[in-house]
Amino acid sequence: GDSVTQMEGPVTLSEEAFLTINCTYTATGYPSLFWYVQYPGEGLQLLLKATKADDKGSNKGFEATYRKETTSFHLEKGSVQVSDSAVYFCALSSRDNTDKLIFGTGTRLQVFP
Amino acid sequence: DTEVTQTPKHLVMGMTNKKSLKCEQHMGHRAMYWYKQKAKKPPELMFVYSYEKLSINESVPSRFSPECPNSSLLNLHLHALQPEDSALYLCASSQEPGGNTIYFGEGSWLTVV
Repeated sequence: GDSVTQMEGPVTLSEEAFLTINCTYTATGYPSLFWYVQYPGEGLQLLLKATKADDKGSNKGFEATYRKETTSFHLEKGSVQVSDSAVYFCALSSRDNTDKLIFGTGTRLQVFP
Repeated sequence: DTEVTQTPKHLVMGMTNKKSLKCEQHMGHRAMYWYKQKAKKPPELMFVYSYEKLSINESVPSRFSPECPNSSLLNLHLHALQPEDSALYLCASSQEPGGNTIYFGEGSWLTVV
């Protein structure tokens, strides 16, 4: 079945460092891909999405490119801030069942001043 | 603006109590969802309502009973819960069933004592 694999956390960075959180997926067909962010004690917020190969999603300085050849959707940000500390979930919805999001296990990001 | 509102934010209930979680959206979305999230885990789908009809039940125990009174409201009725049901319960919506992008509320933190 469809699945999402994320890098283990926590990822610990100093402010203004470059961020990469790896995400790869397994799916039949061409899923849509998402990054959600969950700040401490809160629900999930949609961060960005991409619906077809080579699409780049971007928001708040974060970006991710849908790479069909490597089945990846890595999250990047050029300069992280303390306020970016949160848990980041990669997710997919398949063409066959777009009512169900398949989540990765989440990656905790900790940014220190 | 994408907003899904959940109440209450926190709920403590005994194992013999009956309580309800409420969710509301005024974006005209026609699909609504309940997810359950345990600590340090990704969200897990419980139920999907499409055009106010239950379309997916992910084998959830009958002590959880969803209800969709109209296109803007979604309830989750709770009865005879167990301590292991303590979790964050997330409501979400999307524009159409299979509408691809799912927006989450802030969640209701449930503690069963």
